[in-house]
Amino acid sequence: DAMVIQNPRYQVTQFGKPVTLSCSQTLNHNVMYWYQQKSSQAPKLLFHYYDKDFNNEADTPDNFQSRRPNTSFCFLDIRSPGLGDAAMYLCATSGGASATYEQYFGPGTRLTVT
Amino acid sequence: AQTVTQSQPEMSVQEAETVTLSCTYDTSESNYYLFWYKQPPSRQMILVIRQEAYKQQNATENRFSVNFQKAAKSFSLKISDSQLGDTAMYFCAFSNTNAGKSTFGDGTTLTVKP
Repeated sequence: DAMVIQNPRYQVTQFGKPVTLSCSQTLNHNVMYWYQQKSSQAPKLLFHYYDKDFNNEADTPDNFQSRRPNTSFCFLDIRSPGLGDAAMYLCATSGGASATYEQYFGPGTRLTVT
Repeated sequence: AQTVTQSQPEMSVQEAETVTLSCTYDTSESNYYLFWYKQPPSRQMILVIRQEAYKQQNATENRFSVNFQKAAKSFSLKISDSQLGDTAMYFCAFSNTNAGKSTFGDGTTLTVKP
């Protein structure tokens, strides 16, 4: 089945230690998104790629970076995680030949910062 | 900028009953998409239903239907014959037709009681 896959599902990192979260998709969608979601809150868009074009949200801290080496993969790098970065990170995709703009979400990576 | 408002942070309903979740939005655009997403506890966010703004007919997906009032900028979700598996957080979302970036409401936590 076509899907959005996130690895790892759970990640524990130390304060200040760089961490990378990964997302892959088999949907061949041209748009990929990274969201941060804290408990019982709406997902907060960090950035998205439209094909290779990177679009950063104005309030996304510089501590968060992203890479998209090809259509299928996208990475979220947190350069120096703080305690406030502990959250669920969601990857989503949209697009394709019959784009109707809904987003397909991965299961998320829960990040703990110790 | 678009805004999406869900005025009901929490709701509950008895199993087999009907419940309606409210959503209002603000936009100056004439062509856009509206969505309801469901996020069960500790599970993946999935699309429940989609509505294209240019379509007057309300979307329906099995037990889920919407009441789309374009002039009033209202987009409510009705869940009929509620089931225990409907317990989840529900997000209303708006997407314009540029790059497919969505604006999410703050969510409504729905609990279906046996």
